[in-house]
Amino acid sequence: AQSVTQLGSHVSVSEGALVLLRCNYSSSVPPYLFWYVQYPNQGLQLLLKYTSAATLVKGINGFEAEFKKSETSFHLTKPSAHMSDAAEYFCAVSSASKIIFGSGTRLSIRP
Amino acid sequence: DSGVTQTPKHLITATGQRVTLRCSPRSGDLSVYWYQQSLDQGLQFLIQYYNGEERAKGNILERFSAQQFPDLHSELNLSSLELGDSALYFCASSVGRTDAADTQYFGPGTRLTVL
Repeated sequence: AQSVTQLGSHVSVSEGALVLLRCNYSSSVPPYLFWYVQYPNQGLQLLLKYTSAATLVKGINGFEAEFKKSETSFHLTKPSAHMSDAAEYFCAVSSASKIIFGSGTRLSIRP
Repeated sequence: DSGVTQTPKHLITATGQRVTLRCSPRSGDLSVYWYQQSLDQGLQFLIQYYNGEERAKGNILERFSAQQFPDLHSELNLSSLELGDSALYFCASSVGRTDAADTQYFGPGTRLTVL
């Protein structure tokens, strides 16, 4: 069985500060892992995905995530937050049959 | 713009009624997925169709059904609606059938309000 846990339903950082959104997964098979972003009143958009190639995955808008098998984690980071990064972020784990999304983390950016 | 279209954008109806949500996938995508997003349940996978056939089922109620047509558009039918069915319903599409690495492209959603 697969599951994904996002720690912190709401994260607030100052503009220019480091963004760290946490995601831990559970999977009985090698996982495919995704981060999606949802801006207000919009659908989800892929930020990046891990498909067993490089463990450090670079995505759009300056985001990256590192797959750590020993920690079963796939945390999302961005060195310097921008006001436009305010959104809801979803981590997801995928197998052949379906994809499971985490409960989401709302990121707020303080001026 | 993901290339996935959903209609209508908003839908307001009464308890006990039936509604149909429509989704057109990206050009070339054969899989369509339906999701329900609500404040208390989060984002829940409902069902997947691939090239007209049901491929995977998630937390879909018996009052809900879906189909994918030969032109690959899909419809989600919700019947005997209850207040708790009020949510955002998303459609997503991807190229393949079972490739877990496939990216899903999401439509803008249909906001259903049941009064």
